[in-house]
Amino acid sequence: AQTVTQSQPEMSVQEAETVTLSCTYDTSESDYYLFWYKQPPSRQMILVIRQEAYKQQNATENRFSVNFQKAAKSFSLKISDSQLGDAAMYFCASKNSGNTPLVFGKGTRLSVIA
Amino acid sequence: GAVVSQHPSWVICKSGTSVKIECRSLDFQATTMFWYRQFPKQSLMLMATSNEGSKATYEQGVEKDKFLINHASLTLSTLTVTSAHPEDSSFYICSLPSGGRHEQFFGPGTRLTVL
Repeated sequence: AQTVTQSQPEMSVQEAETVTLSCTYDTSESDYYLFWYKQPPSRQMILVIRQEAYKQQNATENRFSVNFQKAAKSFSLKISDSQLGDAAMYFCASKNSGNTPLVFGKGTRLSVIA
Repeated sequence: GAVVSQHPSWVICKSGTSVKIECRSLDFQATTMFWYRQFPKQSLMLMATSNEGSKATYEQGVEKDKFLINHASLTLSTLTVTSAHPEDSSFYICSLPSGGRHEQFFGPGTRLTVL
């Protein structure tokens, strides 16, 4: 069974600064995918970034990047130049290949201080 | 990405009544849809996998006779909460897989309050 662990219930960051959200996972599969989703107060799930486990290169999407350490089963999210709109719940998630569901961590609530 | 809608967005019902929640894919055909439940200040937990034309697959601890799922077409899955009780009050979210990109497209969710 897959598990995803987020050990930081809450984090805060000053506007324009950088913050890193931690995530570890466990899976017995060799083919899997990792994601970070953002859930703002509207509760609409928004994909932030995705990483294929077979790719060694860390994924980046503008101000968002990941540090994927496959051997350590770690998948942290770095947000650079934090903006007030980044304030939200962030969920780390994993899934196996195929039409399989996501398994979510417990989430990290990020506050951005002006 | 695919546009996924849910209806209603918010429903309040009396204890003992049944509530139907619709999940529609507006531009993408899906043989599989997922139903998640999110209690306040908690994460999303998978309830069941909805399969077009066949029976849904339920996660352990989810009562299939209480949470009826129907996936009658490639663009519509419904979740009916039967004989709802206050402990069923939650945020229900559907999603469908994107295929090759392995991400999921989420509906906006339905907030259910059972009085």
